Amino acid sequence: EIVLTQSPGTLSLSPGERATLSCRASQSVSSSYLAWYQQKPGQAPRLLIYGASSRATGIPDRFSGSGSGTDFTLTISRLEPEDFAVYYCQQYGSSPDTFGQGTRLEIK
Amino acid sequence: QVQLVQSGSELKKPGASVKVSCKASGYTFTSYAMNWVRQAPGQGLEWMGWINTNTGNPTYAQGFTGRFVFSLDTSVSTAYLQISSLKAEDTAVYYCARDGGSSFPVWGKGTTVTVSS
Repeated sequence: EIVLTQSPGTLSLSPGERATLSCRASQSVSSSYLAWYQQKPGQAPRLLIYGASSRATGIPDRFSGSGSGTDFTLTISRLEPEDFAVYYCQQYGSSPDTFGQGTRLEIK
Repeated sequence: QVQLVQSGSELKKPGASVKVSCKASGYTFTSYAMNWVRQAPGQGLEWMGWINTNTGNPTYAQGFTGRFVFSLDTSVSTAYLQISSLKAEDTAVYYCARDGGSSFPVWGKGTTVTVSS
């Protein structure tokens, strides 16, 4: 099983700042099968990024994904108030599918 | 529009069973697999497995064999998750999520299952 480790656990930033979230895999992950989700309290996860760097439909271009192999990054270029949430990475290429433990992005 | 509508919250006693439904609309149900994801209170996301909506063949992640059953009724475009012999640790939100080939682009809103005596 591929273990995904997200860092930091909590990130405290202000609106307008840049956020950089990391997802490290215990084994190499095909870039085609690395996704990022956003989850707000009481809501279902929402797909942001698939294939490591492709934005899902309707996702603003301030969200970008990068990386390959075992190291992946989600970047939010300028934080908006609605971006404060929990973010999860997911690998889909090797069964079982696995999620990272999440990064909580909170308002500083 | 594409959507997954899940059944409402459930309160069950230990040892009972529960069946959660996930009704799809806006697309051809049998064209995409359906996944199930669990989220325990205050915890992260845990993939439970998936079901092939063409063949009905389920695949269960480790830890979700035995008491967990995925099923379908393709005539009403609905996937089901049944959990038997409920335990307190089954208390969680259960999500269905449509497969997208490389991610899960469509999610239901979740069904809260609470197991308490």
